[in-house]
Amino acid sequence: GQQLNQSPQSMFIQEGEDVSMNCTSSSIFNTWLWYKQDPGEGPVLLIALYKAGELTSNGRLTAQFGITRKDSFLNISASIPSDVGIYFCAGQHSNTNAGKSTFGDGTTLTVKP
Amino acid sequence: EPEVTQTPSHQVTQMGQEVILRCVPISNHLYFYWYRQILGQKVEFLVSFYNNEISEKSEIFDDQFSVERPDGSNFTLKIRSTKLEDSAMYFCASRTLAGRSYNEQFFGPGTRLTVL
Repeated sequence: GQQLNQSPQSMFIQEGEDVSMNCTSSSIFNTWLWYKQDPGEGPVLLIALYKAGELTSNGRLTAQFGITRKDSFLNISASIPSDVGIYFCAGQHSNTNAGKSTFGDGTTLTVKP
Repeated sequence: EPEVTQTPSHQVTQMGQEVILRCVPISNHLYFYWYRQILGQKVEFLVSFYNNEISEKSEIFDDQFSVERPDGSNFTLKIRSTKLEDSAMYFCASRTLAGRSYNEQFFGPGTRLTVL
């Protein structure tokens, strides 16, 4: 099956610091999605990316679709305690078919006040 | 804001029993999904459903699993004879087919299934 390598696996940062995490794939994706999951809850969509090279922001979050279409990164600026959670990247291969998402292993973010 | 809902939030069952997990997707969405997440692991695709039939399924989705849209609002996942390894969080997701958000899948809060 498809492999998504997400790194780092975990991060421990101070409040106010910037955060960067990324995903790489062995194959090309047409769509990259970034989700945040709090304990015991479902993934919440943060950012969707549709074109190679696309850079999209959502508040303090910025994500980019790599030009090779095999990678994506997510940056969080000026982190706050509520940023704590698990961040997942997800890739989709097709814009017209079932559109199943292949998820990365997640990056667990801990923010120390 | 419209959201995906799932019931029950937690289901405990004995091995070998049948369970039905229920989902109400966002009302104008047309594609529906089930994913599962074993504790501490990543989210895994199970099945996608469109126009009253399965579009794609993973190797996890074997003959013990089935999905159904019994009416205009509900979307269900049935596990016929549960196994210990079926214990996981099960997430329903849905997406529209229109507009910029074409591929954006929105997830429900999940059902935690515990098989004893």
